[in-house]
Order: sequence, then C-alpha cells, then structure tokens
Amino acid sequence: DTAVSQTPKYLVTQMGNDKSIKCEQNLGHDTMYWYKQDSKKFLKIMFSYNNKELIINETVPNRFSPKSPDKAHLNLHINSLELGDSAVYFCASSQDQREGDTQYFGPGTRLTVL
Amino acid sequence: AQSVTQLDSQVPVFEEAPVELRCNYSSSVSVYLFWYVQYPNQGLQLLLKYLSGSTLVESINGFEAEFNKSQTSFHLRKPSVHISDTAEYFCAVSEITGFQKLVFGTGTRLLVSP
Repeated sequence: DTAVSQTPKYLVTQMGNDKSIKCEQNLGHDTMYWYKQDSKKFLKIMFSYNNKELIINETVPNRFSPKSPDKAHLNLHINSLELGDSAVYFCASSQDQREGDTQYFGPGTRLTVL
Repeated sequence: AQSVTQLDSQVPVFEEAPVELRCNYSSSVSVYLFWYVQYPNQGLQLLLKYLSGSTLVESINGFEAEFNKSQTSFHLRKPSVHISDTAEYFCAVSEITGFQKLVFGTGTRLLVSP
C-alpha cells in the first residue's frame, strides 16, 4: 500500500489554464505539506496543514490554493498557470506538527507549463 | 531565519570508497537536523535525524552523521559506498519553534561508479 500518493504523476498544460494536484495519505497522520522542487532540485515548502487547518503559508502567489477536505487529503489548485510554475510538486505528511517528526513524501507530480 | 548550505553539488566516488557529504546550517535558535535521500524519480525518504542525545546518529544502511554545534555542521559519512547509494542527498533543518518547518539545502548528488 502506498503511504503517500499523488495524482497525476505528470501534468502538461498551457499557460493560463487552471489545474489541480491531489494528495492522499493512509498513515493516519495529522499534518500534511506541499513542496515545490525546481529544475535545480531546490526544495521549498509552500504550505502546511495540521488537522485540516493551515499552519504554514510561505510567500506563495495567491494563484496557489491548498484545500484539505479531511486529514488524509491535501489538494493543490493552481489558477492561471505560468511558465515559472513548471516544477515537481511533492506532497508529504508527518504524524503531527512537532519539529522532530519524520516527513513521508509522495512520489511527486511533474508539472510542465507550455 | 534558518538556512542550510551544502557546498558540494556533486560528489563522484568509486564503489567501496568512503564518502563525506558536507552540510552547514545557520540559525539563531536550537534546531533539529535531518538528512533525506531522493532516488531517481522518487520522493524523498528520511535517512537519519538528530534530535537530542548522542551527537552521532546512524542509519540502517551504514550512513552516519555527526552534529557539531560549535561548527554548526551535520556532515554525512559512509565508510564504504555501493552503486545503489547513487542518489540526491538533502540536508534539512527545523527550528524548534513549536511546529515543523523544514528548510532544505540545495542537495548533493552522490555518483557511485564501479
């Protein structure tokens, strides 16, 4: 069983479109995250949710809107896609929001904006 | 704000040779330290972490890292590498502030050749 899953694995779209990436974890964790990994492999946190509540919101354009319908899901919706949004997006989860918790990562979604 | 520096973007080694991947961090408060590994086309996995206690921490596959507070370093070592260790290695830090926010270094690509 996959612990943290993301769909789709690949997403190719045109500039200006709106797209969503879904994330699900079956680990029973309380905290979920979204990260962006750019073409140079630099990984940066975007959002963090704990028990469906937003706790970290980095300086991300408001075209990005996370939604957590329940503790096991954290989806990412992106409006008006731009070329610079091309990246690999990783979802992760941890038992809770404590600083020392291990994060478990999904396989990533490679977004290409043309 | 915390930051992490991984000076080596790529480290080529021969199989069975020792390796050290360097990591230095900067923070004004106490931190927890992590090494994550990313195999090709996969998400990140925790390799090891330092929370407290012994400054030398070990992973199940032969890696170890030592927390050096005076030098603000957390270098990763392995006495004898295998081909299968070829991957991207990320050092990360989380300040002890009440919730987890991982800040990653830019990664070091370990290339093991026969």
